Amino acid sequence: AAGVIQSPRHLIKEKRETATLKCYPIPRHDTVYWYQQGPGQDPQFLISFYEKMQSDKGSIPDRFSAQQFSDYHSELNMSSLELGDSALYFCASSYRPGLAGRNTDTQYFGPGTRLTVL
Amino acid sequence: DQQVKQNSPSLSVQEGRISILNCDYTNSMFDYFLWYKKYPAEGPTFLISISSIKDKNEDGRFTVFLNKSAKHLSLHIVPSQPGDSAVYFCAASAPKEGGRGSNYKLTFGKGTLLTVNP
Repeated sequence: AAGVIQSPRHLIKEKRETATLKCYPIPRHDTVYWYQQGPGQDPQFLISFYEKMQSDKGSIPDRFSAQQFSDYHSELNMSSLELGDSALYFCASSYRPGLAGRNTDTQYFGPGTRLTVL
Repeated sequence: DQQVKQNSPSLSVQEGRISILNCDYTNSMFDYFLWYKKYPAEGPTFLISISSIKDKNEDGRFTVFLNKSAKHLSLHIVPSQPGDSAVYFCAASAPKEGGRGSNYKLTFGKGTLLTVNP
């Protein structure tokens, strides 16, 4: 079965540079989530998109922005990179089965992008 | 403020025995709970989930139990196999008022490293 695809898998940047991470959700999934996992930490929610519109926002710095495109892929843009941005960035996707009022959205995760800021 | 807590950072069991991983939560709005398995440098892999309207869900060797009054859930793996050795994350989600579509961001615990010894 097709899974969530993330690119690149590894990225090395210098401080104050920019980075763009890409996510291709599972086909027919309508929602994309971005998470950040620091060393030894649990994944932290950044932002989500449903049907190409921002759905929810977590602890995402103002230096970061994201969008979901017409083909449902999503990009996370990170500017003025700092050393503390070094982390694993996961994308997850889900599909609302149409059960209004019921929370049964299982999120499926991609392999992640390891960002290292030097 | 850790809303999802996995108080055991690690657990070691013998092959063939039962592994029991525990998770506690504080947010009474959580209504969907998931367990993910994670290997280093890979994305979390979905294992099993449970809705708050149930108290048990079973899938092969994996069973999740939910005790809503105690705000506690557990994952049982029987029998445990060496290939089960990984970090296990408990995650929970709650509906976001006014959110659009699938907007159930996940809140993770800090994970439990399970080691199954041959």
